[in-house]
Amino acid sequence: RKEVEQDPGPFNVPEGATVAFNCTYSNSASQSFFWYRQDCRKEPKLLMSVYSSGNEDGRFTAQLNRASQYISLLIRDSKLSDSATYLCVVNIGWYSSASKIIFGSGTRLSIRP
Amino acid sequence: DAGVTQSPTHLIKTRGQQVTLRCSPKSGHDTVSWYQQALGQGPQFIFQYYEEEERQRGNFPDRFSGHQFPNYSSELNVNALLLGDSALYLCASSRRQGPQETQYFGPGTRLLVL
Repeated sequence: RKEVEQDPGPFNVPEGATVAFNCTYSNSASQSFFWYRQDCRKEPKLLMSVYSSGNEDGRFTAQLNRASQYISLLIRDSKLSDSATYLCVVNIGWYSSASKIIFGSGTRLSIRP
Repeated sequence: DAGVTQSPTHLIKTRGQQVTLRCSPKSGHDTVSWYQQALGQGPQFIFQYYEEEERQRGNFPDRFSGHQFPNYSSELNVNALLLGDSALYLCASSRRQGPQETQYFGPGTRLLVL
């Protein structure tokens, strides 16, 4: 089982729709969580960190469920420019010698006019 | 304010050769991480450098080694290249703050091994 799993998609939704992705993680020592977006043949860019209380940034809402070990990303009123691959990132055991950073394989989102 | 820069942008090598990739972190950042991203996959963590020492390491063989210089820039070295090493190599920099530190990525180096 992968340590961080995402539905690869693609999710193909109309402009203006609401879309949600989940990402599950298996290591209970996971300490911090992020969503990045990556456009085709470009580097990943931070979209938002994910906090236990949940956080919102404009049309984007991220939530963390430690009990079920998943994080989610909700995009409201989707725009054509939201088309990208969304990467879930987990930082495990940051204070230990066995710490590591794990990226999911990404979820492809395509917004159609 | 310059972001993370990497060189070269593209590289072609043959099996068995050695390669060195370079990264300059964003101004004010002291930590550099390296990732390998194969086509259609998420980035795979290679290792992280802070204070010129390797602090974290992913599941990569010893053929992958690195270095961080006093000015925080970093190199990734790969020896005895294999075809499977063909990938996009990404460098990310951050300011060491703890688990919530934010990484900023460079544009990457595309390595093709023939």
